Amino acid sequence: NAGVTQTPKFQVLKTGQSMTLQCAQDMNHNSMYWYRQDPGMGLRLIYYSASEGTTDKGEVPNGYNVSRLNKREFSLRLESAAPSQTSVYFCASSRRDRGANTEAFFGQGTRLTVV
Amino acid sequence: EDQVTQSPEALRLQEGESSSLNCSYTVSGLRGLFWYRQDPGKGPEFLFTLYSAGEEKEKERLKATLTKKESFLHITAPKPEDSATYLCAVRAGTALIFGKGTTLSVSS
Repeated sequence: NAGVTQTPKFQVLKTGQSMTLQCAQDMNHNSMYWYRQDPGMGLRLIYYSASEGTTDKGEVPNGYNVSRLNKREFSLRLESAAPSQTSVYFCASSRRDRGANTEAFFGQGTRLTVV
Repeated sequence: EDQVTQSPEALRLQEGESSSLNCSYTVSGLRGLFWYRQDPGKGPEFLFTLYSAGEEKEKERLKATLTKKESFLHITAPKPEDSATYLCAVRAGTALIFGKGTTLSVSS
C-alpha cells in the first residue's frame, strides 16, 4: 500500500527560487495537512484542507501557498524561497469519523535546503 | 493556549530495562491523544489513539495510558529496535498539535 506519497524527497533551492512540493494519498481520506519539522521545534502545521476546494492556515503559513487539486492531491508552493524555509516538510492525511478527524498518516518527507 | 510537553527529551536504556515516557497536555476539549514513532529520515508512524481518561492501548512492548492531564507510553523490556523518537500529539480543532518528542536509545 502506497499511503501518502511525497515528491521530491530532496531539493536544494537558491534564495528567491520557487518550487512546488507534491503530495498524494490513496486512502480516500478527506483531510490533508502540510507540516514542517525543525530541530528543537517539533512538527508545526503550515496549512490544512478539510476537503477538495477548502484550505485553512495553520501555525506557520507565511511564505507558503497550497492547492487542494482533488481529493487525492494537496500541493505546497514556495513562491520565493528563503533560508528560513530550510526544513523537512511532511504531508499527512486523515479520515473523518462522526465529524472529527481521526489519526493522521504521514508521508516520508521532503528535505528542503535553501541556500 | 493548547500545548503538549514531552519528557524526558532523551532516554537511554539497556535492553530489558523498562521505563515510561511522559506527555503532558493542556487543550480545551480533548478530541484524541495520539502517539507516533519516528525513525531517522522517515515520517512519523502512527501507534495509538486514546480518547478518554482511563483508556489504555497495547502493542507488543508498548502500552499507552491516558489521564485528564497526561499520557504515558510504557516500554516493557525494550529491544534495540525500539530505538526511535516517540511523538505525542493532541487533536485541537482540525489539526494535531505535537510535542517535541522523546528520543529513546536502547543498547544491547
